[in-house]
Amino acid sequence: QSVLTQPPSTSGSPGQSVTISCSGGSFNIGNNPVTWYQQVPGTAPKVLIYSNYERPSGVPDRFSGSKSGTSVSLAISGLQSEDEAYYYCAVWDDGLNSRVFGGGTKLTVL
Amino acid sequence: QVQLQQWGAGLLKPSETLSLTCEVNGGSFSSYYWGWIRQSPGKGLEWIGEMNQSGSTNYNPSLAGRVTISVDASKKQFSLKLTSVTAADAALYYCAGLYDRIGAFDTWGQGTVVTVSS
Repeated sequence: QSVLTQPPSTSGSPGQSVTISCSGGSFNIGNNPVTWYQQVPGTAPKVLIYSNYERPSGVPDRFSGSKSGTSVSLAISGLQSEDEAYYYCAVWDDGLNSRVFGGGTKLTVL
Repeated sequence: QVQLQQWGAGLLKPSETLSLTCEVNGGSFSSYYWGWIRQSPGKGLEWIGEMNQSGSTNYNPSLAGRVTISVDASKKQFSLKLTSVTAADAALYYCAGLYDRIGAFDTWGQGTVVTVSS
C-alpha cells in the first residue's frame, strides 16, 4: 500500500482529455517536488513532468502537471493511441526518509 | 546523454544474495544520484534506494538491513546487493540515474529479470 494514492485506471477516446490524480500528505507532496513517469509496457519508465509542472525537452505540451496542497494532477489533452501506458507519480517522503512511487494508473485510449 | 548498461545473475535460490551492476556511459557522472528500482510482475514501481554525489545512501525502509548500494566512480559503475532473497524479491530490477538538476530519474538501464526459485 503506497503512501501516494492514484486511481488504478482511467480511459478516454482519441482527442479527449484526461486527468490523473495523486494524493499524498504533508511529508511528501506537501513539502517536496513531484515527478510523473510514463511507462509503456515492456519499456523502462520515462520522465513526463518534474518539479510538479516542468516538462523535459521532447515531452509534448499536451502533458501538464499541477499541484494543490498535498495532491498533484497530470493532465493529458488531445489523447493519442500512443499515450496508452501506466503513469506513476513519485516524490521524496521526509517522514520515511525515502522516495515513494504511487501505485500507478493505467490509461486506456478507447 | 547518459546511458546505463546493467548486468547480474537472474536466477537465485532462496537465501542467496542478489548482485547487480550498472555501468554509466556518457554524460556527467557527478551530476547524478545512482539508484535502483524494481517492479514485481504485474505490479507498480518500488524504489529500492539511491546514493547521492557525496556517497550518502538512502534505502527503502522495507528492505533496510538487506540492501547495499555502492558506487565505483573510477569505473563509472554502481552496484546493488540484496541479501537473503525470497520469492517476494522476484522482480524486474532497473538501475537508474537521478539527474540532480531536475530531481528525477531521467536515465534507466534495460532492466534485469530476477527469479527466485529453489
